[in-house]
Formats: sequence, C-alpha cells, structure tokens
Amino acid sequence: EDKVVQSPLSLVVHEGDTVTLNCSYEVTNFRSLLWYKQEKKAPTFLFMLTSSGIEKKSGRLSSILDKKELFSILNITATQTGDSAVYLCAEETSGSRLTFGEGTQLTVNP
Amino acid sequence: NAGVTQTPKFQVLKTGQSMTLQCAQDMNHNSMYWYRQDPGMGLRLIYYSASEGTTDKGEVPNGYNVSRLNKREFSLRLESAAPSQTSVYFCASSDRGVAKNIQYFGAGTRLSVL
Repeated sequence: EDKVVQSPLSLVVHEGDTVTLNCSYEVTNFRSLLWYKQEKKAPTFLFMLTSSGIEKKSGRLSSILDKKELFSILNITATQTGDSAVYLCAEETSGSRLTFGEGTQLTVNP
Repeated sequence: NAGVTQTPKFQVLKTGQSMTLQCAQDMNHNSMYWYRQDPGMGLRLIYYSASEGTTDKGEVPNGYNVSRLNKREFSLRLESAAPSQTSVYFCASSDRGVAKNIQYFGAGTRLSVL
C-alpha cells in the first residue's frame, strides 16, 4: 500500500494569515493527487492534480503538485474562520483506489 | 441534489450483534466505496465495487461483508460487531469518465460497539 503523509497534523492560525499544508506520497502506479476539505461530516472535493507544476486555483485556495519530489501543497490565503476544517490529501493509484493521509486539522481563530 | 445517502446516521450495538449500513447514490456512478475513519488514522478503505456485480477488498476488510445490490446501492454488513469496529463509516461513489475518479462522500454513519 502506498503511504501518504501530511504535515503538519494540526495548525492554529489567526484570521488573515496564509497557511501552507503539505502532502508527500509514494509513487507506485501514481495517477493523481486529490485534496478534500472535511468539516463536521462528509469530505468535500477541492482539487485534483495530475500534472507537475500546474497550479490549480479556486478563490483563496490553490494547490500544486511536484511529481519529481513526490509532494503537493495546499495554500490558503487570507484565512477565515470558515476555513477551519480537516484537510485531507489522497493519492489515486491503480484500480481507482484512493489512499488517504491522516489529515491536517486547521483552526482559524478570529 | 441528494448525491450519496447513508443510513442510519448513528447506531449503537452490543458486541456480537449484526447490522447493515446502507448506501445509495443517485449520480449514476459506476464505482462505490466503503471507508472507516478513526482518530489519527485518516480514511481507510474497507471494500469497494468498481462496477455493478463486482466487489474487492480494500485495506481493512476483516469483519465486514459487502453487497452491490444494483448500480445505485452498496451495503456494508457487520456480522458480529466488535468494539474495534467503533468508528465513523463513509460511503463514496465515483465515475471514471470526465470526472476521473473524484469520489463523492455521504454524510457518514457513527457506529459505537459496546
């Protein structure tokens, strides 16, 4: 089983700060890397990355993949209290399976 | 939009009891998945069904069985519940077309086994 490691596991910031969340993965049969946001219930999809060096952007959130160094980062600028959540990174491998990391618990204080 | 619907939302069982968790999706997706989520361990795949009529084991299948009843429904059965199966269970579905295996999740079932 491929391993996905996220860091930090927990992060507390103030509103307006910029945060960078990290995700490293192993490479067996890599197809894509996905980011999800999980508030109280179901994880919701944020980004899927397949190509190295191409940034995906949605409002204040952006993500990029480095296939040579086997990692991805998720950036959130001008954080808001509504960004408080667990952010999950997952690697898609063969057989349409996702291997998830532990997640990063982000807390944004007013 | 219903998406992925799981029932029940909460359940308390005694050790040795059996139960079935239900999952249905209305997005005409081919693939469906069952995960469990425990503190500090992320989401771990229990079983998945790549298409109607097929099921495969995931990372943690022991103590569980699944049935892909039709394209919409994928159930997870605990035959003899154990305290180690206390967890939050998520069902997900995906389509391998344009969306390229983005998985969509249900709201989860919180299960406690006493």
